[in-house]
Amino acid sequence: NAGVMQNPRHLVRRRGQEARLRCSPMKGHSHVYWYRQLPEEGLKFMVYLQKENIIDESGMPKERFSAEFPKEGPSILRIQQVVRGDSAAYFCASSPLQGGGELFFGEGSRLTVL
Amino acid sequence: AQTVTQSQPEMSVQEAETVTLSCTYDTSESDYYLFWYKQPPSRQMILVIRQEAYKQQNATENRFSVNFQKAAKSFSLKISDSQLGDAAMYFCAYRRPRGSQGNLIFGKGTKLSVKP
Repeated sequence: NAGVMQNPRHLVRRRGQEARLRCSPMKGHSHVYWYRQLPEEGLKFMVYLQKENIIDESGMPKERFSAEFPKEGPSILRIQQVVRGDSAAYFCASSPLQGGGELFFGEGSRLTVL
Repeated sequence: AQTVTQSQPEMSVQEAETVTLSCTYDTSESDYYLFWYKQPPSRQMILVIRQEAYKQQNATENRFSVNFQKAAKSFSLKISDSQLGDAAMYFCAYRRPRGSQGNLIFGKGTKLSVKP
């Protein structure tokens, strides 16, 4: 049973470009969460999605960031017009449950903005 | 809103010794879940141990155990017989109960070093 798959593992973008990060949850999981981790810091919640629905986006910056989890295919975190401050590790996690159990994490995507 | 506090930014332990990492949290819920995750240099988040708040018995997983004090809202992690491979960042996390919408809320982490 494959774990949470994230790609790309590493992404380099120049300021002003777009970054797209993809996440395929574990089989049977319908809940996806995105977290951001800045260097030497903990994980900060960004957004929680179910298929075709954004449930909680309270941690998402108001501009340039968006997320989706379509009926078919992976969840995508999109960052438009990236700036150097967007450089971070972005983790995706999935869960079979709405609440309660642990989240299963992918290996993260490291975004570097030049 | 729920918060998780880890007051020890860094800890160090001698190989084969025991170390305890502290975590406190704040919530008005009576039912919830608590976790310790490990993040080694590879950055993969690995679940170490979980505790369900309605269970009074402290969770254990091999060399890892917790001291769960619900009234004090404290959830410490004890690592016995520390090994070099235990060196990592450790994050305490809280999650609301089943049936409620809830993501994991993390503390800022404790960096554990293991000395040979």
